[in-house]
Amino acid sequence: EVQLLQSGSEVKKPGESLRISCSASGYSFTDFWISWVRQVPGKGLEWMGRIDPSDSYTNYSPSFQGQVTISVDRSVTTAYLQWTSLKASDSAIYYCARRLSSGRGYSYGSWGQGTLVTVS
Amino acid sequence: QSALTQPASVSGSSGQSITISCTGTTSDIGRFKFVSWYQQHPGKAPKLIIYDVLHRPSGVSDRFSGSKSGNTASLTISGLQGDDEADYYCSSYGPDGLEIFGGGTKLTVL
Repeated sequence: EVQLLQSGSEVKKPGESLRISCSASGYSFTDFWISWVRQVPGKGLEWMGRIDPSDSYTNYSPSFQGQVTISVDRSVTTAYLQWTSLKASDSAIYYCARRLSSGRGYSYGSWGQGTLVTVS
Repeated sequence: QSALTQPASVSGSSGQSITISCTGTTSDIGRFKFVSWYQQHPGKAPKLIIYDVLHRPSGVSDRFSGSKSGNTASLTISGLQGDDEADYYCSSYGPDGLEIFGGGTKLTVL
């Protein structure tokens, strides 16, 4: 069974750094892209970017380019989303999601449970 | 790149059918066959219900169907049930390897 287990809720102050994680299991980690999606409570979904775990190639939405870093550690089959200097506007729920098919398509069939980040 | 355009809300009675539209541009929906639809219940993660315009993942009810015409994709839910009440989001692949979501549609089952 495919599972994406995200790290727990975080409360941070503006200017602090943060890394949240998405631990994958139940499949070949390097075969499926992972994306990160932001959702401000009560608002819609925003695609932030994705990573190919096989070579760490990343694509970022222009809205998030330079604001966050997506990475993986293949040795522990985990994807990460990182900030170096948080802002209050980064307060949101962050989801990791795994691509449905290994070879094609841009849909996400498996999702983590979400990580709530509060910056205040 | 702007979000895809969805109606903020739609409603329908139990047993009826509803359709949610998702309008993009010639650079995303109009160009690629990579439109997906997600269902999200309050406090839950999104769930994929349609991929590649019209395909259903295993386990998703055939009451959900997708289509595309020009720059607009559509999700139709037939035989509305109470559990269908949720938020629905479309997404599409776009230029330069980017992906984009719609603003979301709140479905109310009357």
